[in-house]
Amino acid sequence: AQRVTQPEKLLSVFKGAPVELKCNYSYSGSPELFWYVQYSRQRLQLLLRHISRESIKGFTADLNKGETSFHLKKPFAQEEDSAMYYCALYNQAGTALIFGKGTTLSVSS
Amino acid sequence: ETGVTQSPTHLIKTRGQQVTLRCSSQSGHNTVSWYQQALGQGPQFIFQYYREEENGRGNFPPRFSGLQFPNYSSELNVNALELDDSALYLCASSLDSLGDEQFFGPGTRLTVL
Repeated sequence: AQRVTQPEKLLSVFKGAPVELKCNYSYSGSPELFWYVQYSRQRLQLLLRHISRESIKGFTADLNKGETSFHLKKPFAQEEDSAMYYCALYNQAGTALIFGKGTTLSVSS
Repeated sequence: ETGVTQSPTHLIKTRGQQVTLRCSSQSGHNTVSWYQQALGQGPQFIFQYYREEENGRGNFPPRFSGLQFPNYSSELNVNALELDDSALYLCASSLDSLGDEQFFGPGTRLTVL
């Protein structure tokens, strides 16, 4: 079964601290993985995509097939990073995104 | 370029009623996907429409149905509403149906009393 697990409901860090949002997945084959972000009162938007290997707003994510993980990292958190973060993957058919339950990141000064 | 829009923003219905939610896809996108997001959960896939045909369906009962129109806008219909249908309904559009980036609308908040 295809599944995405985000074990932390809430992650609170201080400004300037490193951030790691955890994502583990269950998938047969090579998954197509995403991180979506939802800032307060805004719509869900793509933060980064595994295949593009881009760094967006200082965030990176590396696919670890051995550990079936796709953790989101940022070396120095900013207050504007406070948001809800969802890890997602495409189903085998490539039609549906399967989301985790999300992690709320709270960055305080 | 206009983003994905959804209407209405909020809706209150009672159990047993029927509801229609609407979505306009982003300009140039021919694929629309619908998701249900219950409180505290991630979005759950309902179905996808590609060029006016259903192109995949999640684990939702038949009382959830949809349509896509020639201009690629879409409707989600829910019959015989239940209390558990209370959720945020998200529409997402993409350039193509397979593995493409999905652009989300702001959602419609449905409350069933």
